Amino acid sequence: IAGITQAPTSQILAAGRRMTLRCTQDMRHNAMYWYRQDLGLGLRLIHYSNTAGTTGKGEVPDGYSVSRANTDDFPLTLASAVPSQTSVYFCASSDIPSGEQFFGPGTRLTVL
Amino acid sequence: AQSVTQPDIHITVSEGASLELRCNYSYGATPYLFWYVQSPGQGLQLLLKYFSGDTLVQGIKGFEAEFKRSQSSFNLRKPSVHWSDAAEYFCAVGGGYNKLIFGAGTRLAVHP
Repeated sequence: IAGITQAPTSQILAAGRRMTLRCTQDMRHNAMYWYRQDLGLGLRLIHYSNTAGTTGKGEVPDGYSVSRANTDDFPLTLASAVPSQTSVYFCASSDIPSGEQFFGPGTRLTVL
Repeated sequence: AQSVTQPDIHITVSEGASLELRCNYSYGATPYLFWYVQSPGQGLQLLLKYFSGDTLVQGIKGFEAEFKRSQSSFNLRKPSVHWSDAAEYFCAVGGGYNKLIFGAGTRLAVHP
């Protein structure tokens, strides 16, 4: 069982380019999340999805979009990347309300 | 507003010494509380969680935490630290239907 996989592991991107970070879980969890981790700020929620077909905005949603076409996949898209989006991005999933979240290994994104 | 404060950014302890990492939260209802650990370059792993019941909860790797409602605290403890415990530790509170609010983290260094 892989749990949560994220791709790519790392990426260097030119400002203005479009980028999609991929996240797949094999635990059949209903809820999925995207966080960004920045030094001194901990993890901040970007977007979430409580179940397939629904999404919601987190604390820092601007510049990001998500979709949840099925239970397993939850891609995060940066339509036009900016340097302030340089961060480490973590995908997570959870199977019950207010339950434990399981995290992927992260994607390190650098926007130049 | 809901928030989590980890007052200590960095802590250094000697191997074999006891450890306490502080966490204070602000939350309107009965909180769901979590401690996660992140080793360098890795994702987050759950150490322990509190939902209800006994206010002293046991976790993995010999960690425990105590929920004190009167102090809005959920401090993490370990009686004897091992060098492998060096990592970053995050406290989190359930922020409504699966959404977690994280503290900024405490980085633990362990001296031999």
